[in-house]
Amino acid sequence: GQQVMQIPQYQHVQEGEDFTTYCNSSTTLSNIQWYKQRPGGHPVFLIQLVKSGEVKKQKRLTFQFGEAKKNSSLHITATQTTDVGTYFCAGLAVSGNTPLVFGKGTRLSVIA
Amino acid sequence: DGGITQSPKYLFRKEGQNVTLSCEQNLNHDAMYWYRQDPGQGLRLIYYSQIVNDFQKGDIAEGYSVSREKKESFPLTVTSAQKNPTAFYLCASSGLDGGEQYFGPGTRLTVT
Repeated sequence: GQQVMQIPQYQHVQEGEDFTTYCNSSTTLSNIQWYKQRPGGHPVFLIQLVKSGEVKKQKRLTFQFGEAKKNSSLHITATQTTDVGTYFCAGLAVSGNTPLVFGKGTRLSVIA
Repeated sequence: DGGITQSPKYLFRKEGQNVTLSCEQNLNHDAMYWYRQDPGQGLRLIYYSQIVNDFQKGDIAEGYSVSREKKESFPLTVTSAQKNPTAFYLCASSGLDGGEQYFGPGTRLTVT
C-alpha cells in the first residue's frame, strides 16, 4: 500500500537557525498536506499543496510540492521557540478511494 | 462554535475491559477517522467512515470496533482483544474531497 516517508525523525536547532523536513511518497499524490502538533496537543492543519511544483509561503514557513507530485518539503527560516512541535506531512493518493496517509513526523526542538 | 470533541481527555482501565471513546463533530463533515498515536510512530489509521452506517478498516483495525449511526458521532471501542491498547487516540473529520482534516483534542488511554 501507499507509504509516506518523512525525514529527519528529530531535529534540534538553535533559535534563529533554519529547519527543513522532507516527505516522500511511494505513489503519485493528488495533494499533500502539512500539519503541526504542539507538545501535548493535537495535529493542526497548516497547508495543502495540489499543483506540481507548487510553492506556498506562510510567514517564515515555505512549503514545496515536487514536480512529480511524490515529494514535498517544509522549510522554516530563522526558527523561534514557538516553532517547537512535530510536523507531519500527509499525502492523498491519486489512484483509488484511499484516505490520507500520514508520515511519522519530524519533531523539532528549538534551543533558545 | 464549530468543532470536534473527544471525551474523556484521560481514561484508565483494567486489562480485559472494553472501553468506548467518544467523538462528536458539528462541522457537518461526512468523513470521520480514528487514529492511534504512539511515541515515534506518527498517526496510524484505525477506522474511517465516509457515510452513516458504513465504515472501513484502516491499517491497524484489529482489536477495535466502531459504529456510525449518526453523521455527527463516531465512537471507537477498544476491546479486550487489543494487545497493547495504551496510547493516545485522535479522532478527526473532513469533507469527502480529501481535504483538511480537523482533529479533536484526543483521549489518552492507559490500560493496566
